Amino acid sequence: AQSVTQLDSHVSVSEGTPVLLRCNYSSSYSPSLFWYVQHPNKGLQLLLKYTSAATLVKGINGFEAEFKKSETSFHLTKPSAHMSDAAEYFCVVSVSSYGGSQGNLIFGKGTKLSVKP
Amino acid sequence: DAGVTQSPTHLIKTRGQQVTLRCSPISGHKSVSWYQQVLGQGPQFIFQYYEKEERGRGNFPDRFSARQFPNYSSELNVNALLLGDSALYLCASSLGQPSNQPQHFGDGTRLSIL
Repeated sequence: AQSVTQLDSHVSVSEGTPVLLRCNYSSSYSPSLFWYVQHPNKGLQLLLKYTSAATLVKGINGFEAEFKKSETSFHLTKPSAHMSDAAEYFCVVSVSSYGGSQGNLIFGKGTKLSVKP
Repeated sequence: DAGVTQSPTHLIKTRGQQVTLRCSPISGHKSVSWYQQVLGQGPQFIFQYYEKEERGRGNFPDRFSARQFPNYSSELNVNALLLGDSALYLCASSLGQPSNQPQHFGDGTRLSIL
């Protein structure tokens, strides 16, 4: 069975400093992994996706994530935080099974990112 | 191009009532999935439809049902509402059956049960 664990429920950084949001995954298959962002009272926006093409994945708004199979991790990073990055971030794994459930998303519990001026 | 649209944006119901939520996918997308997001939690998968057929169902009671229409729009129905059904209901669409394709989310319908 697939699952994701987000290691921090809340991360606070100062504007202009690096961002690190940690995620570990569990999957019996080669996983498809995603990071989504949710701003208050909004739906989810896809930041980036990993589907085994390259271990370092670049996304929108300067975010990137590195897939490390040996550590079963998929941490999200950004070199310099902006105030507009303040939001909830979800690490997500796509269910990899044959049959009707393939492709359904399993979400972590989320990490709330606060950015101080 | 229009994204995934959901209606209504907010809804207030009382226990025991029934509710219907609507979703229009991105033009050309044939798959629609529904998720429930309780306050402070990540979304949980409810249903997936592709080409008007149910292709996946999460761990939700039979009070929850859904369907997809020939134009690929979808409705989620919840009967006999409980206080615990209060949540943000999210619809997502993808081009084909979402094996490793990204799903695009709408802004959701916030359902409050009194």
